[in-house]
Amino acid sequence: EAQVTQNPRYLITVTGKKLTVTCSQNMNHEYMSWYRQDPGLGLRQIYYSMNVEVTDKGDVPEGYKVSRKEKRNFPLILESPSPNQTSLYFCASSLMGWASGNTEAFFGQGTRLTVV
Amino acid sequence: DQQVKQNSPSLSVQEGRISILNCDYTNSMFDYFLWYKKYPAEGPTFLISISSIKDKNEDGRFTVFLNKSAKHLSLHIVPSQPGDSAVYFCAASETGANNLFFGTGTRLTVIP
Repeated sequence: EAQVTQNPRYLITVTGKKLTVTCSQNMNHEYMSWYRQDPGLGLRQIYYSMNVEVTDKGDVPEGYKVSRKEKRNFPLILESPSPNQTSLYFCASSLMGWASGNTEAFFGQGTRLTVV
Repeated sequence: DQQVKQNSPSLSVQEGRISILNCDYTNSMFDYFLWYKKYPAEGPTFLISISSIKDKNEDGRFTVFLNKSAKHLSLHIVPSQPGDSAVYFCAASETGANNLFFGTGTRLTVIP
């Protein structure tokens, strides 16, 4: 079954404690990205990756890091989480990325992160 | 600044009637538009899309209309079913860019 898998689904952590949210896709997609969803703001892109070892910032990259060492995985790293990073996070993958147009994204189920 | 706007946070419709969800955008460079549906505790799932070279795209009960001069698109669901109850996100992209801009979503409730 084609899917994007995020872990964990729920996470409560304290300010400053480094954490990683994992994302894995089994569709051999080149393009992966991370979004956060906040009330009244919709989904905003954090980082994206066009392929292995190719990553770039989205609209709200501050406080986040990513890596793409293999095609299927795209972890999101919060080196020093702060309460304003409390949000619902989604990982997405697509075959070629938005730049090529005419492509849909597949989303993971989301990770609800609370930073206290 | 929101480049894609959904001004109706919620919409309630009787089963069997038409649901119309609206979306406005500000960036005239957007040339591809998508609608996603999201159920609670799940990620968004792709529903339907339209290229800027068209003004209408139909897929079963779902039709998307694009009015480029007004920078407006709408999603029509006919007939509406209780299983359509979800949050609907409008999204837009520009060929050559690497971002997909989302609206804030409209929660549709279809009343049996």
